[in-house]
Amino acid sequence: DTGVSQDPRHKITKRGQNVTFRCDPISEHNRLYWYRQTLGQGPEFLTYFQNEAQLEKSRLLSDRFSAERPKGSFSTLEIQRTEQGDSAMYLCASSFDPRFEETQYFGPGTRLLVL
Amino acid sequence: AQSVTQLGSHVSVSEGALVLLRCNYSSSVPPYLFWYVQYPNQGLQLLLKYTSAATLVKGINGFEAEFKKSETSFHLTKPSAHMSDAAEYFCAVTHEAPGNQFYFGTGTSLTVIP
Repeated sequence: DTGVSQDPRHKITKRGQNVTFRCDPISEHNRLYWYRQTLGQGPEFLTYFQNEAQLEKSRLLSDRFSAERPKGSFSTLEIQRTEQGDSAMYLCASSFDPRFEETQYFGPGTRLLVL
Repeated sequence: AQSVTQLGSHVSVSEGALVLLRCNYSSSVPPYLFWYVQYPNQGLQLLLKYTSAATLVKGINGFEAEFKKSETSFHLTKPSAHMSDAAEYFCAVTHEAPGNQFYFGTGTSLTVIP
């Protein structure tokens, strides 16, 4: 078990470009979460999946953001037409069925800088 | 609605001194409470958690926290600070329900002075 991994670790892009991030959760974890963390703040919830189903989305997740988890394993987070305000650390976390284990395990994050 | 408040965005202690990081929560249902630590350019690592069992919770690296319902607090302590404790600390609250969304505080940056 290598923990939650995220790719890339860093991304620099120009305003208006599309970016996609990948998260590989801990194997057998059926819940996967995306958070956004800006400088000096705690992580803010964006969305989460139970297996391949996206069950909740935050109001922070505008129409330019889309997340998928097609086979219930890895997940992708895409940001279309990036804006400078999208610059942040994007964190992925996974957990086992919360009826049995409520701890979320976090990946190292993808730091996005939009120029 | 759930939320946490971390008093003090920056805390400085001398090496060997007591560490006390404050967290107060707001929750309309019995909470689960967590402390996470974040080192520069890294993700969050779980320090300890309270899930309605013992109110005094021991975690990794010598940290512990006590759940006090009457004070709605879950303060993090360590008897003797080490230089390696310098990091950002986040308190988080959730509860036993579908979604299991975490609500994080704004964090406390701990500096350890040699």
